[in-house]
Amino acid sequence: DIQMTQSPSSLSASVGDRVTITCRASQNIRRYLNWYQHKPGKAPNLLIYGASSLQSGVPSRFSGSGSGTDFSLTISGLQPEDFATYFCQQSYTNMYTFGQGTTLEIK
Amino acid sequence: EVQLVQSGAEVKKPGESLRISCEGSGYIFTDYWIAWVRQMPGKGLEWMGILYPGDSDVRYGPSFQGQVTISADRSTNTAYLQWGSLKASDTAIYYCARLQQLPPDNWFDSWGQGTLVTVSS
Repeated sequence: DIQMTQSPSSLSASVGDRVTITCRASQNIRRYLNWYQHKPGKAPNLLIYGASSLQSGVPSRFSGSGSGTDFSLTISGLQPEDFATYFCQQSYTNMYTFGQGTTLEIK
Repeated sequence: EVQLVQSGAEVKKPGESLRISCEGSGYIFTDYWIAWVRQMPGKGLEWMGILYPGDSDVRYGPSFQGQVTISADRSTNTAYLQWGSLKASDTAIYYCARLQQLPPDNWFDSWGQGTLVTVSS
């Protein structure tokens, strides 16, 4: 199985900050990496697919990069609505494993 | 508009059976894989398995093989997740999600609202 490891597990930041969350795969997954935002009581929301493609309707302050085993999600200019938990997910295999999540909290 | 609407919260006792549902609308149900994802209390997302309603092909994650059954009814555009004998450790929120494929990429582009399952004696 491919394991996905995110860091940090939690992060405190202020409105307007630029933050980066990283995701590491246990083997080469090329660019088959997706990012989701998840708020309590809500359905997860796709942000980025294919490592760097922005899902339609997602603000441009969200960006993704990486390939192989190392990936990152960057939020430039945090907004109040961005405080949530973020998950990466590999789609290189059809086991679709998720990272453990990174919770972004208001400082 | 693509929508996945899940059945409501359930409270069950250990050993009981349960089936929860996920109804798709706004797209051709048989053309897209539907996955089930578990979120245990205070934990992250775990992919459980995935089904193609077009031919009922089903694949399970290693931790869930033999523990749950995923199925679908094409006549009602509904996917199901069922347990034969619940355990307290099945307490979780369960999400269904539609797999969007743009070969070779694929991702979950629409999600249900989640179904809370509580198993307690």
